[in-house]
Amino acid sequence: GENVEQHPSTLSVQEGDSAVIKCTYSDSASNYFPWYKQELGKGPQLIIDIRSNVGEKKDQRIAVTLNKTAKHFSLHITETQPEDSAVYFCAAPTGAGSYQLTFGKGTKLSVIP
Amino acid sequence: EAQVTQNPRYLITVTGKKLTVTCSQNMNHEYMSWYRQDPGLGLRQIYYSMNVEVTDKGDVPEGYKVSRKEKRNFPLILESPSPNQTSLYFCASSLFGTINNEQFFGPGTRLTVL
Repeated sequence: GENVEQHPSTLSVQEGDSAVIKCTYSDSASNYFPWYKQELGKGPQLIIDIRSNVGEKKDQRIAVTLNKTAKHFSLHITETQPEDSAVYFCAAPTGAGSYQLTFGKGTKLSVIP
Repeated sequence: EAQVTQNPRYLITVTGKKLTVTCSQNMNHEYMSWYRQDPGLGLRQIYYSMNVEVTDKGDVPEGYKVSRKEKRNFPLILESPSPNQTSLYFCASSLFGTINNEQFFGPGTRLTVL
């Protein structure tokens, strides 16, 4: 099955700075990589995803990059704001033809005003 | 409002006392799933369902049961809860059973087993 490693586990940045969270995966056949944001007391919510046929995807201040050769993908948040403070999870398909996602262990991002 | 609801939101129980956590979605989604979230372990899938009467084990199914008799409901059953099932539980749903569909998560159920 898939193994997803996520780093760092905690990240503190000053408001306005950029934040980068990295994930590696083990199954070279994986082709879909979502990122979920979990605010305090709530369930995770999809913020961006990328498929293996593209190397980068942007949505306003959020971007995800994918390096299939190295089997890693990263979440980039620019011009961070206090409301970006949350736990972020990456994920990858559990296996070829799988209907499951394997999640990383999460990164707690704190944006300091 | 399109949503996934879970009940109860908080539950404290004792070892061995059967309990059910309900999950319901109003989006006509085919795929539903249960996860548990533990500190340092992230989200781990317990069971999932591709459609009515179709369920399958996730990564940590031991000690849990599920059923999918109606499309909108996917209850999680703990027949004989144990302290190691103390956790935060999330139900999720997505339109189709393909992996590249957004999963919509419920608000969570915090379970404590004494």
